[in-house]
Amino acid sequence: KNEVEQSPQNLTAQEGEFITINCSYSVGISALHWLQQHPGGGIVSLFMLSSGKKKHGRLIATINIQEKHSSLHITASHPRDSAVYICAVRSYSGGSNYKLTFGKGTLLTVNP
Amino acid sequence: GAVVSQHPSWVICKSGTSVKIECRSLDFQATTMFWYRQFPKQSLMLMATSNEGSKATYEQGVEKDKFLINHASLTLSTLTVTSAHPEDSSFYICSARQGAKNIQYFGAGTRLSVL
Repeated sequence: KNEVEQSPQNLTAQEGEFITINCSYSVGISALHWLQQHPGGGIVSLFMLSSGKKKHGRLIATINIQEKHSSLHITASHPRDSAVYICAVRSYSGGSNYKLTFGKGTLLTVNP
Repeated sequence: GAVVSQHPSWVICKSGTSVKIECRSLDFQATTMFWYRQFPKQSLMLMATSNEGSKATYEQGVEKDKFLINHASLTLSTLTVTSAHPEDSSFYICSARQGAKNIQYFGAGTRLSVL
């Protein structure tokens, strides 16, 4: 079983719909990242959170540490939101280092 | 926001040759840099972690003699794939950690194709 599980793997939506992507993890973490990867491969960090909720524009990320679960929400989705969304958890790997463990990603396609 | 530049973005090489990939933090000093590999439809896998001026720490299963990492300054790390083979074809991504803010920034990635 992967340490980081995302669902769904693929998601197709119509423009304007509310989108939810879920992430569950099984290890102790110090923070959780939500990343966006476009078809060309480049990765953009959307959020880093360790508790509660963060909002940036149409994007909202929440985390429940006790339940080891996080969600990424997109309101009023748009075709330009089409990308792979990746959940990554940060845990310490010894000394002052930490590492990120990634989920497999959720491919979101928003149709006009 | 902070920018991490990765170069080249795409490289094709013959089997047996070596390829160097550069990762630069453009407007901040990166205390730690990370190298990842991503195969199609798979998640990113950490290859190694490097701190400036010290030897990189490789993940289990990653050959340190094949994937040479140099982190000579606080703004530059390089990954050299030595004697590349077709099975090394993959998408390689670097990231840099800005120590003061403890935030990780990602490069755009390098697609390596070994013929």
